[in-house]
Amino acid sequence: DARVTQTPRHKVTEMGQEVTMRCQPILGHNTVFWYRQTMMQGLELLAYFRNRAPLDDSGMPKDRFSAEMPDATLATLKIQPSEPRDSAVYFCASGLGRVAGDTYNEQFFGPGTRLTVL
Amino acid sequence: SQELEQSPQSLIVQEGKNLTINCTSSKTLYGLYWYKQKYGEGLIFLMMLQKGGEEKSHEKITAKLDEKKQQSSLHITASQPSHAGIYLCGADAGGFKTIFGAGTRLFVKA
Repeated sequence: DARVTQTPRHKVTEMGQEVTMRCQPILGHNTVFWYRQTMMQGLELLAYFRNRAPLDDSGMPKDRFSAEMPDATLATLKIQPSEPRDSAVYFCASGLGRVAGDTYNEQFFGPGTRLTVL
Repeated sequence: SQELEQSPQSLIVQEGKNLTINCTSSKTLYGLYWYKQKYGEGLIFLMMLQKGGEEKSHEKITAKLDEKKQQSSLHITASQPSHAGIYLCGADAGGFKTIFGAGTRLFVKA
């Protein structure tokens, strides 16, 4: 049963601390997305990768957020330093990003990391 | 930039009743996705529509994309408590990106 895994599931930290969230995409998927979900803003795309290369990180606050894919089985999202406004649920999703005539981009979501910054 | 508006924002229905959720795009839709999110969990893909007039079904859930490709509706027949959750529509936004609507929260009363 292939699925996207994320760790940790919950994280409570104090303002100013570094937070690292990890994601293992489904084996064989070549596109990985990071989203943030809040009640106020809904689901926002932060960054995404294709074949481990960053394609777009325009949704991410550059001064404190960074996203990487050190290898095909691991994607990381780091916040340094964290702030209370970063409190949200962070989702990782992966997909095949198939292009066969029309783009078809079904995404498989992980369970999310619920981050609380005090 | 493209925006998706979902209505209603929330919905409470009695078990067994039918319901419809709408998703309206500010631009032509080239790929429209419906996802369901159970409370506290990730999103689960339901179905995707591409062609104007297209209709797809998944168990008791049917989605349609209108001819002009700027609106989609999701219809649930004979709702059950298992249908409760947040329904989000998403649209292809180019370059493998998907933008999402704000979601519709569905509550089903037993």
